[in-house]
Amino acid sequence: DAGVIQSPRHEVTEMGQEVTLRCKPISGHNSLFWYRQTMMRGLELLIYFNNNVPIDDSGMPEDRFSAKMPNASFSTLKIQPSEPRDSAVYFCASSYRRHRIEAFFGQGTRLTVV
Amino acid sequence: DQQVKQNSPSLSVQEGRISILNCDYTNSMFDYFLWYKKYPAEGPTFLISISSIKDKNEDGRFTVFLNKSAKHLSLHIVPSQPGDSAVYFCASRAQGAQKLVFGQGTRLTINP
Repeated sequence: DAGVIQSPRHEVTEMGQEVTLRCKPISGHNSLFWYRQTMMRGLELLIYFNNNVPIDDSGMPEDRFSAKMPNASFSTLKIQPSEPRDSAVYFCASSYRRHRIEAFFGQGTRLTVV
Repeated sequence: DQQVKQNSPSLSVQEGRISILNCDYTNSMFDYFLWYKKYPAEGPTFLISISSIKDKNEDGRFTVFLNKSAKHLSLHIVPSQPGDSAVYFCASRAQGAQKLVFGQGTRLTINP
């Protein structure tokens, strides 16, 4: 299996622009998570989906952030408009509840907003 | 409100000695605890876990201890090797929930 695939690996954008991060979970996994890594808070959960349905979006910082999961093999995290304080590494992870408790992470997208 | 806390941002240990990483949690509903390891420019990878019904789980050089009364868990690495240098995150899951709540991470450096 190729694991969780995220794109792009790096994104540099100007303040005010729209940014879209993409994630392909491991085939067969039914839960998908979006995390953001910061120095202060470590790995912070933004939102997670179960069977393509958003379950908990309480970690989404503002209305500028939105996430979708149109099917079991694809999810997006969008920031519009982006701000410099959004600069961080964003991780996508997936898991299959019945077999394993742990989540498997992608390599992350390093976002820089200038 | 940080439900999972790793109070040591960094730790430096000599090769061959024991590394002890600590984690505290506040939510008594957590029933599963995990440790992840993260190298630069990579995603976190699962290392070891423990259920709340146990107080110890061992996997090779890695042992996780859980003290439920103190709401504290620790990861012991014996003996420490240079390849263990990484950021270690502890994570917890509440009973019936799917999401994992992570701490801030501890950067471990193993010195030759």
